Amino acid sequence: SAVISQKPSRDICQRGTSLTIQCQVDSQVTMMFWYRQQPGQSLTLIATANQGSEATYESGFVIDKFPISRPNLTFSTLTVSNMSPEDSSIYLCSATPWDRGEQYFGPGTRLTVT
Amino acid sequence: DQQVKQNSPSLSVQEGRISILNCDYTNSMFDYFLWYKKYPAEGPTFLISISSIKDKNEDGRFTVFLNKSAKHLSLHIVPSQPGDSAVYFCAAPLFNKFYFGSGTKLNVKP
Repeated sequence: SAVISQKPSRDICQRGTSLTIQCQVDSQVTMMFWYRQQPGQSLTLIATANQGSEATYESGFVIDKFPISRPNLTFSTLTVSNMSPEDSSIYLCSATPWDRGEQYFGPGTRLTVT
Repeated sequence: DQQVKQNSPSLSVQEGRISILNCDYTNSMFDYFLWYKKYPAEGPTFLISISSIKDKNEDGRFTVFLNKSAKHLSLHIVPSQPGDSAVYFCAAPLFNKFYFGSGTKLNVKP
């Protein structure tokens, strides 16, 4: 399996500011993903973080709002830009190891925007 | 378009009894299915999976059944324990993307 850590674990931010969430995997992985989980809802895929190229965004999510970096095979960042209270959510990083079909998740970042 | 569906948002079971969580899918190209468990304030953790070449996979108290003709899978937990209380998601990967159900919140009462 892959062990995934995220920083920060939680934050309270003011409207209009930006927050960058870091995701670190303990081994090289093929795919890295960013999800959002709003209260009482399922996991919503924001984007696939591609190593060495631009992230692939899902419908309803754009790069200007959620810029993503993936400089290598074990690290990725997600920035939530120009935040509004509607961005309050849990943001989850996940990864799929080279030799496994499962997806492993980080502990999540709980974001509250006031 | 929800390709993986969990129609029961919640389930309550007495400790020691069987918990059955259900999941339906619409895409016949799915050939691998996973179940995840999520506690509050934690990320989902992988629980058990099944390939479409099988109709059953067992791991301790957890068994997943797959009915391909019905496009239905289920997770059985027996005996259920209070520590099993969590939200359970079924998922299916396709073309490097995972499709998740909406989750079922299981409450196991002592």
